[in-house]
Amino acid sequence: GAGVSQSPSNKVTEKGKDVELRCDPISGHTALYWYRQSLGQGLEFLIYFQGNSAPDKSGLPSDRFSAERTGGSVSTLTIQRTQQEDSAVYLCASSLAKALLPRNQPQHFGDGTRLSIL
Amino acid sequence: QKEVEQNSGPLSVPEGAIASLNCTYSDRGSQSFFWYRQYSGKSPELIMFIYSNGDKEDGRFTAQLNKASQYVSLLIRDSQPSDSATYLCAVNGNQFYFGTGTSLTVIP
Repeated sequence: GAGVSQSPSNKVTEKGKDVELRCDPISGHTALYWYRQSLGQGLEFLIYFQGNSAPDKSGLPSDRFSAERTGGSVSTLTIQRTQQEDSAVYLCASSLAKALLPRNQPQHFGDGTRLSIL
Repeated sequence: QKEVEQNSGPLSVPEGAIASLNCTYSDRGSQSFFWYRQYSGKSPELIMFIYSNGDKEDGRFTAQLNKASQYVSLLIRDSQPSDSATYLCAVNGNQFYFGTGTSLTVIP
């Protein structure tokens, strides 16, 4: 597709359930980022994938959060045993990543998944 | 100290005026700087990026970078009501850091 695609656009689930959020980056973009944005707040970095390198997981808030990227393209963010404080918009972004300066490229965002934990 | 600091606003300017948005960052090793616009309920949209000291112009938008002062700004000339949004400054240091954004309202 032309842009970053995220699904679902909205997710409502009960506390304690597991959720999976999907991101399909722009074709040819090797870098992929996940962020979380709570209402009225800034973007909180979660995880970064670049090609076949080990992901930068330094932003994941707890071990309930995990992400994978299969085949260097689609990524899935999984939240286990969801808590109410996990309610937020989860944004995925992708970028071209030049070999020497992979993080220097502009990021292009999907429309996000609005997650609500009841 | 936050990695990226922005005045949260709100900043209000009349239509046709110049809006000036400012951002400071803490990591002197930062190499790339970005401005995103985010409308309410929408995802961030890239407006400008700048890598070198000085000014970079694109239409009504000018990004200014001063690495010595660790300062980056965005000027919007001939502001329009459609420019009303939150503007996020982003900086590439050890990680990609976003500021919390400045809310801009352009009054018709």
